[in-house]
This record gives sequence, structure tokens and C-alpha cells, in this order.
Amino acid sequence: QSALTQPPSVSGSPGQSVTISCTGTSSDVGSYNRVSWYQQPPGTAPKLMIYEVSNRPSGVPDRFSGSKSGNTASLTISGLQAEDEADYYCSLYTSSSTPVVFGGGTKLTVL
Amino acid sequence: QVQLVESGGGLVKPGGSLRLSCAASGFTFSDYYMSWIRQAPGKGLEWVSYISSSGSTIYYADSVKGRFTISRDNAKNSLYLQMNSLRAEDTAVYYCAREGGYDSDYWGQGTLVTVSS
Repeated sequence: QSALTQPPSVSGSPGQSVTISCTGTSSDVGSYNRVSWYQQPPGTAPKLMIYEVSNRPSGVPDRFSGSKSGNTASLTISGLQAEDEADYYCSLYTSSSTPVVFGGGTKLTVL
Repeated sequence: QVQLVESGGGLVKPGGSLRLSCAASGFTFSDYYMSWIRQAPGKGLEWVSYISSSGSTIYYADSVKGRFTISRDNAKNSLYLQMNSLRAEDTAVYYCAREGGYDSDYWGQGTLVTVSS
């Protein structure tokens, strides 16, 4: 299955909000509430930030929120902080024989 | 605390083989599915394979099917990835990850595999 589509880059100033989209099709994102989001600062391993569309693991600030509408999932970061600067990836688990797909990643720059 | 430590990466010639290991600690390894996910230099994440808690269910990405084999030893709290017929496009950092459900909730720091002559 094809990778999910994310914008290559987004930016925002400290204190602002940004939203990163993750677009699929009615057969993948539109059919499953199994979207997760990962944060990867430069030179580090990815970290789970959101699971099953809108759930935050323990320890993730509530500035991070997730949602889904139709074939597009979104990650919103409010009250941007310098430490939020990182690459962000969405992923989806399906019931296919190749069950996991990632988005291409979005580089967040905090201006 | 959950820890995943990968090892076994290195430089290998095209067509060669390599076996990656992932040592798990801080949780009951035999209760969890596990995955390998890779990231080519400067590129995004690519899911490679996952294995069920018992090892009875395994899936692979099309790009590695027939060349890579995932396995686990629950007695040793270890996950493995046997990589054969390696190609230049397999060059990447390989991460071991614990599956939390429909996500990878803990990741190792990764091990670099470089395929080059």
C-alpha cells in the first residue's frame, strides 16, 4: 500500500499552533482508527506522541492533540515551544498483509 | 523502565548477510508483539517487519520479503532480524520497537547497516 501523504514542512512561532496533516484514502485512513504520530528530534529515535487517532501516552504534554476527518488525520501542536522542533511521522495499522504504513514525515521548524 | 538495545549493524558488501539483535528489558517481553523499522540516511521511516508475541504471526514489507527473516527468543528476551541478499537500498538505521497495540510505543536507539562495496 502507498505511503500516507504529509506536508514536507510546517513552521510556526513560539506560542502559536500548527497542524500537520496525514492524508490517505477511504481504504486506509478512512477505514481505521489506528493512526499514531511520532516525534523525532534530530539524531534521536522516534517517540510515540499520539495513538489511535487522539490518545496521548502518559507523559506527553496536552499541547499535542490528534484528530481525524474522513481520509485525513491531523496532529495539532498548540503553544509551540522551541523543543517541539523535530520531524513528525504518522503511521497507520491496517488488516492487510503489509499492515503498517508510515507517512513521509513533516519537518516542524519553530521560528 | 523499558529498554531496547539493538546490535549487529555494520558495513557489508552487496549480496552479503547480517543478523541484527535487539535485547529487551523492563517489561514482560513474551507478552508483546515486536517490530523492526528502518530509516535510510536523510529519509523517512519505513516499517520492515513485525512478529507476534509467540512468534506464530509474522509480516514483512514487500521490499524485504524473501530476503529478511524476523524471529524472537522469549527465553532470552531477544528479537532478531536475519538479513540476506543485502542491497545498497537496505542501508539504514534499523530500529527495534515494542508494539503497544496499533502503534510502536517504545523504540531502541537503532543500529546502522551500511551496504556498500
